[in-house]
Order: sequence, then structure tokens, then C-alpha cells
Amino acid sequence: QVQLVESGGGVVQPGRSQRLSCAASGFTFSSHTMHWVRQAPGKGLEWVAVISYDGSNEYYADSVKGRFTISRDNSKNTVYLQMNSLRAEDTAVYYCARDFGDNVGFDYWGQGTLVTVSS
Amino acid sequence: KFVLTQPHSVSESPGKTVTISCTRSSGSIGSHYVQWYQQRPGSAPTTVIYEDFRRPSGVPDRFSGSIDSSSNSASLTISGLKTEDEADYFCQSYDSSDQVFGGGTKVTVL
Repeated sequence: QVQLVESGGGVVQPGRSQRLSCAASGFTFSSHTMHWVRQAPGKGLEWVAVISYDGSNEYYADSVKGRFTISRDNSKNTVYLQMNSLRAEDTAVYYCARDFGDNVGFDYWGQGTLVTVSS
Repeated sequence: KFVLTQPHSVSESPGKTVTISCTRSSGSIGSHYVQWYQQRPGSAPTTVIYEDFRRPSGVPDRFSGSIDSSSNSASLTISGLKTEDEADYFCQSYDSSDQVFGGGTKVTVL
């Protein structure tokens, strides 16, 4: 069965960096576009970034462009989110999600990892 | 960039039917697929409708999706409401490289 397991969350100070990982299993990882989606406490879902199946294309939400970088290692079935210059408003649960097409929408979600940006 | 607008909340009794709307602010609702996600309290989202009206395996046929070009909106209908349907529901669509979510609708089963 499809599994997506995020890790790397925690408490980080404003201005610092954090890297999230999402380990995938149960499907052919190298065939799927992958996303990061976040949810601030008590708020709705916000799309963060997407990377194509082969890593050749990446797109970002305006709110994180220039600060966050999505990447993947198909040999390790893992997608990453490097977050730099973190701000308080980046505090959220970060979900990894699999795309069912080519940057269309999400069919499987991980359980999420909480990132808290606070001094 | 477009916006997807959902009602903040809806409520209904068990066994009844609720319909949640999702209105696209610009661009045609039919030009890009709409998906719907259910999020129960304390849990990750799960997909209940994809490609406007398709149900993933395991999702009961009480859940249905549709598109209305005249109102430029999508709808999620839940019939035969059960207490387990109480959750937040989010619509989602896309445009070129951007993904957009609606603000979410809280469904309360009275």
C-alpha cells in the first residue's frame, strides 16, 4: 500500500533553516510528481511546492519562493523540502502528497510533520 | 491567480443530504479538474473526489462531485449523512503551475 512518511519537523528559530524529508513506499516513486502542502494551526490547506517525477521541473507558492527548495532522490524514494530564512508565519503542519497526474491534484497524503518557528 | 470560494460551514441531520459549493473566481471551472479532500479533526486530508466526479476506491458512493459551468462552480454532495462524515472539506484545482485550495467547509452532523 502507498505510504508517505514525513520527518524533520520541530522547533526552529526565525531566520534559521530546516529540512523536511518524505519517504515513499508502496508505489513506483520515480513515476510520480510530488508536492508539499502546509496547514497553519486552525487554518486551511496551502500548497507550497511541486517537483516533477524526474526532478526536472519545480514550482513554488509565492509565499515561499526564493526561500524554500524542493528536491527528490529517486534512488532513495524520498522527496525533500529545504526551508531557509524561516518566519513565524511558516509555522504549520507540512504534508507530503502524491500527484495522481502531472501537477493536477493529490491522491495520497502523508501524516504530516509540525514545524514551529519561534524564538 | 484565481480563488476558490467555499461556504464556511454547513450542518444537517444524519441521513440527510448536504451539498458544498466551490466557486472559481476567474477562468473556467471546466478547464481544469477539481478535487475534494476530507480532513477529520487531528488527521491528514484524504481524497474523496478527483477529476471532478471520480471516487477513489474505498470512498462510498454517498459522495459525489459535479461541475456547473453556468455558475462556474463545483459541488460535493454527501447523501445519507453519517456522523463519521463530520469533517472539514476542501476543494482544489490548478492553473498552469499553481495549485489552489478553497478555504474549507466544516460539515457538522447534528
